[in-house]
Amino acid sequence: QKEVEQDPGPLSVPEGAIVSLNCTYSNSAFQYFMWYRQYSRKGPELLMYTYSSGNKEDGRFTAQVDKSSKYISLFIRDSQPSDSATYLCAISSTGGFKTIFGAGTRLFVKA
Amino acid sequence: DVKVTQSSRYLVKRTGEKVFLECVQDMDHENMFWYRQDPGLGLRLIYFSYDVKMKEKGDIPEGYSVSREKKERFSLILESASTNQTSMYLCASKTPGQGNEQYFGPGTRLTVT
Repeated sequence: QKEVEQDPGPLSVPEGAIVSLNCTYSNSAFQYFMWYRQYSRKGPELLMYTYSSGNKEDGRFTAQVDKSSKYISLFIRDSQPSDSATYLCAISSTGGFKTIFGAGTRLFVKA
Repeated sequence: DVKVTQSSRYLVKRTGEKVFLECVQDMDHENMFWYRQDPGLGLRLIYFSYDVKMKEKGDIPEGYSVSREKKERFSLILESASTNQTSMYLCASKTPGQGNEQYFGPGTRLTVT
């Protein structure tokens, strides 16, 4: 079993839709949860990070962590064509060097 | 803004060649990382360095080595390139103790023929 599982998609939605991206993880020792966005032919860029459980909102983006079920989510409201990218979830332990990345979900937002 | 640069965007090398990939960051980060990214496998850690001249193996170090002589520069070396090392190589850096956010370079797409 992989430490982080993420549906590779692709996920195709119309402009304005609410998008839900999800990951599950297996090791309860992880405390930091991150979402990266990667445009084609570019390196990943940090979108959001949360520490422990709960929600965090930043504009149209909401990150949610449920440690009891080892489930992390990213919601995108009012999705735009510019949101079309691959979204990578990532988990890390406190102060640790190692970050485990999901394989990424490819999202297409159609105008 | 944090800036991580990589020496080449695209590189084509022949089997058996020695390959150098360079990464430079301009934000005085102590920690630097080399990953490879393959479809369906995500990012896999090759090596990381937590300070100058310090290095640690990641999950897939075989066939690779690294060098960190200066804080801002982290080099990945393929001692004898093989076709199974064809991949996207990504460098990242971070400062310890800040939520583990890593900042990535644009990547080098290496093809070994």
